[in-house]
Amino acid sequence: EIVLTQSPGTLSLSPGKRATLSCRASQSVNSDFLAWYQQKPGQPPTLLIYGAFSRATGIPDRFSGSGSGTDFTLTIDRLESEDFAVYFCHQYSNSPFTFGPGTKVDIK
Amino acid sequence: QVHLVQSGAEVKKPGATVTVSCKASGYIFTSYGISWVRRAPGQRLEWMGYISAYTGNTNYPQKFQGRVTMTTYTPTSTAYMRLRSLTSDDTAVYYCARAGSGSSRFFDFWGQGTLVTVSS
Repeated sequence: EIVLTQSPGTLSLSPGKRATLSCRASQSVNSDFLAWYQQKPGQPPTLLIYGAFSRATGIPDRFSGSGSGTDFTLTIDRLESEDFAVYFCHQYSNSPFTFGPGTKVDIK
Repeated sequence: QVHLVQSGAEVKKPGATVTVSCKASGYIFTSYGISWVRRAPGQRLEWMGYISAYTGNTNYPQKFQGRVTMTTYTPTSTAYMRLRSLTSDDTAVYYCARAGSGSSRFFDFWGQGTLVTVSS
């Protein structure tokens, strides 16, 4: 099973700043089958990024994904108020598909 | 637009069985599959398995094999997840999510979640 580790656990930033979130896999994620989701309290996750760097439909271009193999990054440029939430990475390369523990981005 | 609407909250006793439904709309149901994901309190999201709405083929991780059954009913575009032999560890919010195949196995739309509480 591929174990995903995310850092930091919490990121405290002011609106307008850049957020850089990390996701590390215990083994290589084949074909970069890595996605990122945003989740707000009481809501289901929302897909942001798939295939490591492709933005999902309707996702603003301030969200970008990068990385390959075992190290992946989600970058949020110019944080807006609606971006303060929890972010999860997810690998769908190997069964069982797994998720990271999440990074909470909160307002400083 | 794509919507996945799940059935309501459930309270079950240990040893019981729960069935959660997920009604899809806004797309051709048989062109995608459905994955089920749960989140127990204080735990990370956990993938429970996948069903192709086209073939009915399923893929369950070893942890849930023998205890979970996923089905679909095409005339109503509804997917079902049945989990047997419930314990308190199964208390969680359960989500259905639309999933593609091959390189598109990520989850692009999610249901609103169903809280299942297992308590004596």
